[in-house]
Amino acid sequence: GQNIDQPTEMTATEGAIVQINCTYQTSGFNGLFWYQQHAGEAPTFLSYNVLDGLEEKGRFSSFLSRSKGYSYLLLKELQMKDSASYLCAPQTGANNLFFGTGTRLTVIP
Amino acid sequence: DTEVTQTPKHLVMGMTNKKSLKCEQHMGHRAMYWYKQKAKKPPELMFVYSYEKLSINESVPSRFSPECPNSSLLNLHLHALQPEDSALYLCASSGRTSGNTDTQYFGPGTRLTVL
Repeated sequence: GQNIDQPTEMTATEGAIVQINCTYQTSGFNGLFWYQQHAGEAPTFLSYNVLDGLEEKGRFSSFLSRSKGYSYLLLKELQMKDSASYLCAPQTGANNLFFGTGTRLTVIP
Repeated sequence: DTEVTQTPKHLVMGMTNKKSLKCEQHMGHRAMYWYKQKAKKPPELMFVYSYEKLSINESVPSRFSPECPNSSLLNLHLHALQPEDSALYLCASSGRTSGNTDTQYFGPGTRLTVL
């Protein structure tokens, strides 16, 4: 079966840095995606990790440790518009994404 | 261009109605997906089409019937739905972008309400 664990909610201050952790246990693993989803909208792609290590993309970075079944999403210089849900999604097969329950991030002034 | 379009944006239907959701992409992607998302829950995979053939059906009730008329279009036919089927229905598509990555790009969704 598939098991993904990430915090349900987090709050952080505008301009700060926040790290959203994700641990996973899946049958089959190709890589791990992070998606951002604003309320009532579709998920949008943020990052993809297939190898261990850190992938940096502007204010967003994502880290993966395959041996530990662990990933995190790092958001720097937080802006109010970053308030959203962040979905950790291991890719378990060529076309299979399995989404975690998501972390609802609230950015406060 | 990473656009997936879906129509309609909102749909209200009775339990005896027949309706269809439509999804379209022009990115040359060969895999297309239907997901169902309830409020405050993650998207749940329903169907996957790969090269216009149904490759995954995640034990979805037969009142949901997918169709892939061509590589750009994906439909979801709805019949005799239940109120608990009310949800956001998301379409996604994917293709090889770099290496082995099959990034899925999502459409805006259809908000379905079953009365």
